[in-house]
Amino acid sequence: NAGVTQTPKFQVLKTGQSMTLQCAQDMNHEYMSWYRQDPGMGLRLIHYSVGAGITDQGEVPNGYNVSRSTTEDFPLRLLSAAPSQTSVYFCASSYRDGYGYTFGSGTRLTVV
Amino acid sequence: DAKTTQPPSMDCAEGRAANLPCNHSTISGNEYVYWYRQIHSQGPQYIIHGLKNNETNEMASLIITEDRKSSTLILPHATLRDTAVYYCIVRADAGNNRKLIWGLGTSLAVNP
Repeated sequence: NAGVTQTPKFQVLKTGQSMTLQCAQDMNHEYMSWYRQDPGMGLRLIHYSVGAGITDQGEVPNGYNVSRSTTEDFPLRLLSAAPSQTSVYFCASSYRDGYGYTFGSGTRLTVV
Repeated sequence: DAKTTQPPSMDCAEGRAANLPCNHSTISGNEYVYWYRQIHSQGPQYIIHGLKNNETNEMASLIITEDRKSSTLILPHATLRDTAVYYCIVRADAGNNRKLIWGLGTSLAVNP
């Protein structure tokens, strides 16, 4: 099993550009989520989904959109990149909410 | 969500037990204690979780005090590969209170 796959691993964007961070899992997990990790801070939840067709906001949702059309995929869209969105982004999934999460290896995004 | 307090750093000799403490004095009755670790810049890895009974798996043991205000993660025979940041998190297992509140964790250095 591949687990949770995130692409790309690295990305540099210019301010104002948009892009989609991809996340896919092959474990038939219902719950998926996106976090960002910044130096000196813990992981912060951006958006999460408890199943296909259902999404909700986390702590820091502004500037990000998500959708969950299939169980396997949970893409994160940056609508208009800003330097404040420079961060490491992690996608996580679990069998259902409350079980241990499996994390992807992260996407390192720099906005210049 | 209840907050947790962990020492910022600890050292442990290779082959010895590593005991990582966590204080969660404001934990509620329905909140679980979760432990994750993050090796270098990889995605966090789930270790173990529990409600009030002690738990053990192939990675570690979790000891929760009777009043549930603190817990200890035990790595019985630490190896160099256990060098990582260890996060203790409490959260409810149901309802709208789904998000994990991540602190800065304990940076464990296992020394040869």
